[in-house]
Amino acid sequence: QKEVEQNSGPLSVPEGAIASLNCTYSDRGSQSFFWYRQYSGKSPELIMSIYSNGDKEDGRFTAQLNKASQYVSLLIRDSQPSDSATYLCAVTTSGTYKYIFGTGTRLKVLA
Amino acid sequence: DAGITQSPRYKITETGRQVTLMCHQTWSHSYMFWYRQDLGHGLRLIYYSAAADITDKGEVPDGYVVSRSKTENFPLTLESATRSQTSVYFCASSPDRNRYTEAFFGQGTRLTVV
Repeated sequence: QKEVEQNSGPLSVPEGAIASLNCTYSDRGSQSFFWYRQYSGKSPELIMSIYSNGDKEDGRFTAQLNKASQYVSLLIRDSQPSDSATYLCAVTTSGTYKYIFGTGTRLKVLA
Repeated sequence: DAGITQSPRYKITETGRQVTLMCHQTWSHSYMFWYRQDLGHGLRLIYYSAAADITDKGEVPDGYVVSRSKTENFPLTLESATRSQTSVYFCASSPDRNRYTEAFFGQGTRLTVV
């Protein structure tokens, strides 16, 4: 079992819709959770970080964390074609300082 | 503010050759990381470092060597390149062990081994 799992997609949503991206992790000691966006041929850039159970909102983005169920999700409201990219989930665990990434979910927003 | 830079951006090398990928950051971040990215595998950690002269293996360290004599530099060496090491390599850095801190990425090096 991989430490961090994501559906590879592609996830296709129409412009203006809500895109929902999910990530599960195996280590119950995981403490910090990050969502990165990566455009084709570019490096990953941070979208959101979350550390406590519940929701965290930043503009059109909402990160949701449920430690009991070991999943973290990213909601993108009013999706735009410019949101089309691969979204990577990353996790860090207590006692280590390394970031473990999932394989990423490719999102396509259809105009 | 140069941030974190990798060189070269593109490299073609032959099987069996030694090749070094460079990573330099201007933030004085303590932690640095090397990842490789391959289709279907996402970002996989090769090596990481907490400070100068402190390095640890990640998920896929075989065939790679790192060093960190200075805080700002973290070169990755492929001792004898193989075709399976054809990949995009990303260097990243993070300021400290504060769990709220994200990793910042360089622009990547696309390596092709022929």
